[in-house]
Parts: sequence; structure tokens; C-alpha cells
Amino acid sequence: KAGVTQTPRYLIKTRGQQVTLSCSPISGHRSVSWYQQTPGQGLQFLFEYFSETQRNKGNFPGRFSGRQFSNSRSEMNVSTLELGDSALYLCASTWSSGTGGGNTEAFFGQGTRLTVV
Amino acid sequence: QQQVKQSPQSLIVQKGGISIINCAYENTAFDYFPWYQQFPGKGPALLIAIRPDVSEKKEGRFTISFNKSAKQFSLHIMDSQPGDSATYFCAASNSGGSNYKLTFGKGTLLTVNP
Repeated sequence: KAGVTQTPRYLIKTRGQQVTLSCSPISGHRSVSWYQQTPGQGLQFLFEYFSETQRNKGNFPGRFSGRQFSNSRSEMNVSTLELGDSALYLCASTWSSGTGGGNTEAFFGQGTRLTVV
Repeated sequence: QQQVKQSPQSLIVQKGGISIINCAYENTAFDYFPWYQQFPGKGPALLIAIRPDVSEKKEGRFTISFNKSAKQFSLHIMDSQPGDSATYFCAASNSGGSNYKLTFGKGTLLTVNP
């Protein structure tokens, strides 16, 4: 079956702009989570969505937001971009029931490489 | 607060040797410990995972050792091959939570020389 698809693969934006990244999870997966990967901080959790509801949020400023649609596809948005937002943004999809399910495999997409200049 | 500490940051091993990567966690609510492998330009892929009811899990050349009392777990790669050269991440999560969140270590860049 198809894996996790993230679009676009690469983005170059100017400081102060906003950006929207997209993630299509594996068919049947209802949980989508987002991570920011940088050389200095590694992989950091941004937020997780299940059935169009944000269930958990990491320690990131309010400029980072997301949403999930009824078909489980998810988008994340970063407003007022800063140079420090340059990173690889990864989306992961998981089969999760409405409760728990935190011990199931997370499948990652290839990520969107965002460069802020 | 870094809840999962991983070492070493980088590791160079000769072909056929054993690669060992260590992780330590702080949150006793964690009960699922996966290892991910990431090649350049790719997303992380699950390699092997363990739950704390067992002390060791082996899949092919990859073995996880788990020490619950010390809150430590490690990945052993036997007979390391150049194709194993990648970045390895340990992670942890709480399977009893009502959401899905992985807390990652900072990664180990493994280089296997031919």
C-alpha cells in the first residue's frame, strides 16, 4: 500500500512569510503527527491529530499550527517565518484507536525541507 | 528537558564489527521503545522495538537490550555492514496515553567502513 506522502519536498521562503505543508497518511491510519528535525535539536514533536482533533501539542510557539481533514489528510502551517524555522518537517501516520495505541508503529514520510532566507 | 539521552553522537565501525548505541530515559511512564534508522534524504524507518516486559529482542543482526531498573536500553548491530551506515534514533512513548507522541534521542551517525 502507498506510504506517507508529504508535499512539497522542498520549499524556500522569505523571513516573515507563511507556509503550509501537506501530509497524506497511509490509508486507514487516523492519527497523524508532525515533527521538526534540525541538526541541533534532533526530532521534536510538534502536534498530533486524530479524527480532526488535536490530541497533543509540543513546546512550539503559536506560529505553528495544524489541522486534519475528514479523510485524515493533515496540513501544518507556520506563520511569520523565522530563520530558525529552517528544518526538515516530518509527518508520521499511525494506526490508532480512539484511546491509547501509543505502542504501534509510526510510519514517516520523506519530509518537507523548509529553508527560510 | 531532554527525556531521552542517546550516545554516542557518532560511531565508526569496521565491516563485520559490532555497533552499540545506548539510550537512557527519565519518564517512567514510557513503555514502548522503538529504534529508527534514517538514511540521507529519507524519513526515519522503524528498525526494531521493545516493550519493558522483556529484557532483550532480536531481529536478524539487530538486538535491543533493555534494563528497566536502570531506565536504559541499547541497540546492538552485529556483523555491521557498509549498508548500515545511517543515523539511528532511539525513541520512547507512553502506550497508555490517549494520544500518540514519540520522544526521540538526538541520534547517532553510524559509519561502517568497508
